[in-house]
Amino acid sequence: RKEVEQDPGPFNVPEGATVAFNCTYSNSASQSFFWYRQDCRKEPKLLMSVYSSGNEDGRFTAQLNRASQYISLLIRDSKLSDSATYLCVPLPNNDMRFGAGTRLTVKP
Amino acid sequence: DAGITQSPRHKVTETGTPVTLRCHQTENHRYMYWYRQDPGHGLRLIHYSYGVKDTDKGEVSDGYSVSRSKTEDFLLTLESATSSQTSVYFCAISEIGGVPDEQYFGPGTRLTVT
Repeated sequence: RKEVEQDPGPFNVPEGATVAFNCTYSNSASQSFFWYRQDCRKEPKLLMSVYSSGNEDGRFTAQLNRASQYISLLIRDSKLSDSATYLCVPLPNNDMRFGAGTRLTVKP
Repeated sequence: DAGITQSPRHKVTETGTPVTLRCHQTENHRYMYWYRQDPGHGLRLIHYSYGVKDTDKGEVSDGYSVSRSKTEDFLLTLESATSSQTSVYFCAISEIGGVPDEQYFGPGTRLTVT
């Protein structure tokens, strides 16, 4: 099992839809989890940090399932501007490994 | 936005030439990282630094060296560039490091080795 795995997508959804994607991790010692958003040809930017069971910020909700070792990101009422690639990273893990990302495209 | 700059932003170089990329921060953060990003691989750690003159290897360190003589600067050197080092290079910083912590990324350097 890879250290961090994400469904690469792409997820193509209409505006206003709710979309969720998961990030699975293999290191049970991971205690903190981060979601980053990366626009095309740009740097990753921190979206959310999760230090306990979950976190919510407006339309974005991150939920942690420690038993199954995955963290999900839920986006409600999708906007065109949400189109991006979403990267997760559970820490600590070997070599600060990031997931390869899930690509989301929100269409009018 | 965190004060992180990278230079150059784009570079084309020939196989066998040395290349140095610079990361500069104005946040006074202790930890600095170099990643490369390639399609299908995501971000992979090359080297990181936990203080001035304190550095360590990451997952893909072969062919790369780093130096940190000042808190604000972290240099990545490709001693003899190869085509497999064509990639996008990102620098990142974090305050705590060691323990799980948020990282902030620079704008990246696109390097092409011909």
